[in-house]
Amino acid sequence: EPEVTQTPSHQVTQMGQEVILRCVPISNHLYFYWYRQILGQKVEFLVSFYNNEISEKSEIFDDQFSVERPDGSNFTLKIRSTKLEDSAMYFCASSNTGPGGNQPQHFGDGTRLSIL
Amino acid sequence: DAKTTQPPSMDCAEGRAANLPCNHSTISGNEYVYWYRQIHSQGPQYIIHGLKNNETNEMASLIITEDRKSSTLILPHATLRDTAVYYCIVRVPSGGYQKVTFGTGTKLQVIP
Repeated sequence: EPEVTQTPSHQVTQMGQEVILRCVPISNHLYFYWYRQILGQKVEFLVSFYNNEISEKSEIFDDQFSVERPDGSNFTLKIRSTKLEDSAMYFCASSNTGPGGNQPQHFGDGTRLSIL
Repeated sequence: DAKTTQPPSMDCAEGRAANLPCNHSTISGNEYVYWYRQIHSQGPQYIIHGLKNNETNEMASLIITEDRKSSTLILPHATLRDTAVYYCIVRVPSGGYQKVTFGTGTKLQVIP
C-alpha cells in the first residue's frame, strides 16, 4: 500500500540554524500538509499546500516557516533560525480529492526535531 | 467542524472486540465522521470514515447512530498492536484541502 515517507527520522540542530524536513507524499495525491506535535501535546495543523501554493496556514506557521514542492515528488518544510520551542515531531500528510471531497489524509511517521 | 467527545481511556482484553464511543451531538448533515489512531511514536493512521451508513474495512467497523449524534468504532479482535490513541473527528468535506483538527482522543490499552 502506498505511504507517505519522511526523512530524516530524527534531526538534531543547534538553535538559530536552518533545518529542512523532507516528505515524499503518495504519488497521485494533490494536497499536502504539515502538522507538528510537541511532546505530550495534541497534533497541531501547520499548513496545507495545493497547486504550488499555500491554501491555509495556522498561527504557528509564521515567517520562520516555509514550504516548497521543489519537484514532482518531494514536499519540504523549512524552518529558519530554529528556536528551542520548535522541538517537536513534524508530520507530513497528503490527500486526494474524490467524489464529495471526503478523502482522508494519510500521514507519514514523522521527523523528530530536537533543537539544542 | 462539530465538536466531539471521547472517553480519555479504555482497556480491552486481547482477542476481544474493542468498542470506542464518540459523541458528536452537534454534527451537521454534511459532516463526515473520521477515525484515526496514533500508535506511540508514529504518525496518525487513518482507519475509517462514514457519513450515515455503517462502514467496514479490513481494520475496523464504524457504526453511526440513526440520528448521527454518536458513533462507535469497533476493532473486532483487538491485539496488543492496537494499543494507541484513537481520534474521532467530524468535518465537512471541502472538495480538496482541509486540515484535520485533532482532540485528545481515547487512549486504548489492549491487555494480554
